[in-house]
Amino acid sequence: ILNVEQSPQSLHVQEGDSTNFTCSFPSSNFYALHWYRWETAKSPEALFVMTLNGDEKKKGRISATLNTKEGYSYLYIKGSQPEDSATYLCAFPGTASKLTFGTGTRLQVTL
Amino acid sequence: DGGITQSPKYLFRKEGQNVTLSCEQNLNHDAMYWYRQDPGQGLRLIYYSQIVNDFQKGDIAEGYSVSREKKESFPLTVTSAQKNPTAFYLCASSTDRGVYGYTFGSGTRLTVV
Repeated sequence: ILNVEQSPQSLHVQEGDSTNFTCSFPSSNFYALHWYRWETAKSPEALFVMTLNGDEKKKGRISATLNTKEGYSYLYIKGSQPEDSATYLCAFPGTASKLTFGTGTRLQVTL
Repeated sequence: DGGITQSPKYLFRKEGQNVTLSCEQNLNHDAMYWYRQDPGQGLRLIYYSQIVNDFQKGDIAEGYSVSREKKESFPLTVTSAQKNPTAFYLCASSTDRGVYGYTFGSGTRLTVV
């Protein structure tokens, strides 16, 4: 079983704050790294699928970076808004297309 | 609209009974997956299927069974052999190797009493 770790486990920020979380994964046999956002009572939604070392992807105020050699990825949220409140999951594919998920970072943004 | 439908949203069963959770997708995805979530834990893979009439055990397959008779359907049966069946179950699908990410259903919360 692959080891995918996320930190922190939870985070509470105020509206307008910028924040970031970490995902660490095995650096050998790298294929891709996925980020998902999971809002309460909704389905997890894919944010990014990252494949290249040094890659940086952006979607609105959310961006992610990838370091495959050291086995980590950062997710950044600039100017957090209440609608950013969700659990953010990273996932690492092992053999075939099956993903191993981290336990997630739960973000709460308050006014 | 394309997507994944899981039903029902909530399910209650008595201990010792088998129960089947439905998962249907109209995305024409080849691969489908079942995950389980318990409090404080990440999503854990139960079974996955990359093609019709073929499926593989995931990390926690004991006490579960699946079938993949049609591309769009991947039902999960929780058998009486599953020691702790009460959990939240998520179904997902993807194109080959998930290069565009997974698409998830909205989940089924199973409670066994």
